[in-house]
Amino acid sequence: EVQLLESGGAWVQPGGSLRLSCVASGFTFSGYSMSWVRQAPGKGLEWVSSISSSGSSTYYADSVKGRFTVSRDISTSTLYLQMIGLRAEDTAVYYCAKPPLWSRSTFDYWGQGTLVTVSS
Amino acid sequence: DIQMTQSPSSLSASVGDSVTITCQASQDINNYLNWYQQKPGKAPKLLIYTTSDLETGVPSRFSGSGSGTTFTLTISSLRPEDFATYYCQQYDSLPLTFGGGTKVEI
Repeated sequence: EVQLLESGGAWVQPGGSLRLSCVASGFTFSGYSMSWVRQAPGKGLEWVSSISSSGSSTYYADSVKGRFTVSRDISTSTLYLQMIGLRAEDTAVYYCAKPPLWSRSTFDYWGQGTLVTVSS
Repeated sequence: DIQMTQSPSSLSASVGDSVTITCQASQDINNYLNWYQQKPGKAPKLLIYTTSDLETGVPSRFSGSGSGTTFTLTISSLRPEDFATYYCQQYDSLPLTFGGGTKVEI
């Protein structure tokens, strides 16, 4: 059974940093690209970042480029999102998401999400 | 960036009704269009991929159609468990973008 378990969400002040983790199980982690998608309270879904299966290629939304870094550890089947320079508008539930084999940009499995709150 | 516009933003319906949600892309997305269902406090769930392909395990009362820039999700014979928010998503190009959502209410 595919499972994605996010952690690391917390309350942080503007300008602060946070690292989110997503531990994957139930599939061959090294064979899939992975992504982060966020959802601000009461709002819609926003794609944040994706990383290739090897980790050699990374992609970001303009809203987070230069502040967020996606990475992965194949040995522990863990996806990360390092966030610096956090802003109030980064407040959201952050989901990690896995694609099916045939696509990098469709998401057939999602984690339960972890809440990041940026506020003074 | 490709903008995805969903309509309506919300709708009221009854059990047994048929409902249609529309998603308009700002440019041709080559049918690279997915639909997700989200219930309160839960992660989104993939319903339909590549415009009209039903994800495994999704009931056949859900269907998708469209081409070019205009796409629709139809739920025939609404069931109580279908009351949720629905999102379209294009994957023709980065950045991946979602529609604003359509809340289907009783």
